[in-house]
Amino acid sequence: NAGVTQTPKFRILKIGQSMTLQCTQDMNHNYMYWYRQDPGMGLKLIYYSVGAGITDKGEVPNGYNVSRSTTEDFPLRLELAAPSQTSVYFCASSPGQGWNTQYFGPGTRLTVL
Amino acid sequence: GESVGLHLPTLSVQEGDNSIINCAYSNSASDYFIWYKQESGKGPQFIIDIRSNMDKRQGQRVTVLLNKTVKHLSLQIAATQPGDSAVYFCAENHKAAVNKLTFGGGTRVLVKP
Repeated sequence: NAGVTQTPKFRILKIGQSMTLQCTQDMNHNYMYWYRQDPGMGLKLIYYSVGAGITDKGEVPNGYNVSRSTTEDFPLRLELAAPSQTSVYFCASSPGQGWNTQYFGPGTRLTVL
Repeated sequence: GESVGLHLPTLSVQEGDNSIINCAYSNSASDYFIWYKQESGKGPQFIIDIRSNMDKRQGQRVTVLLNKTVKHLSLQIAATQPGDSAVYFCAENHKAAVNKLTFGGGTRVLVKP
């Protein structure tokens, strides 16, 4: 299993541009999550999904959108990039049952200039 | 709001010594705790977890201790190795927040040869 994969690894955007961060997991996990991590800080939850077709807001959802059309994929959309969205973005997935450990992807480093 | 935090931002330890990383949590309803290790440029990696009905759990070279009375969590690493150099995060979850982990700010562990 590849686990959780994310693309791209790095991206630089200009203010006002839009982009989609891709996330795919091959563990057949029901739950998926998007976090952002600012320098020297912990992770903050942006959005999460408990299954295909179901998404919900986390702690910091403003400026982002998500969709979950399949179990495997959970893309994160930035519509109008702002400098405050400069961060490292991590996607994670979990089984949704039992001790629900989350497994993380390698991250996407985004800079908005 | 509820939060999870860490006492020490940086811990320097001699190779071969034991490391202890501490974490305080404020939500008494939390019932599941995880320690993650994050190496530079990588996503968080699961180390060990513990449920609130336990006060100790051991893994390979790692032990997690939970003191619910004072809402304190610790990670002990035995015989610290250079490969243990990383940032360590604790995370907590409670039943009212389905599968949403709250992360602490992280402690950097530096292993000196």
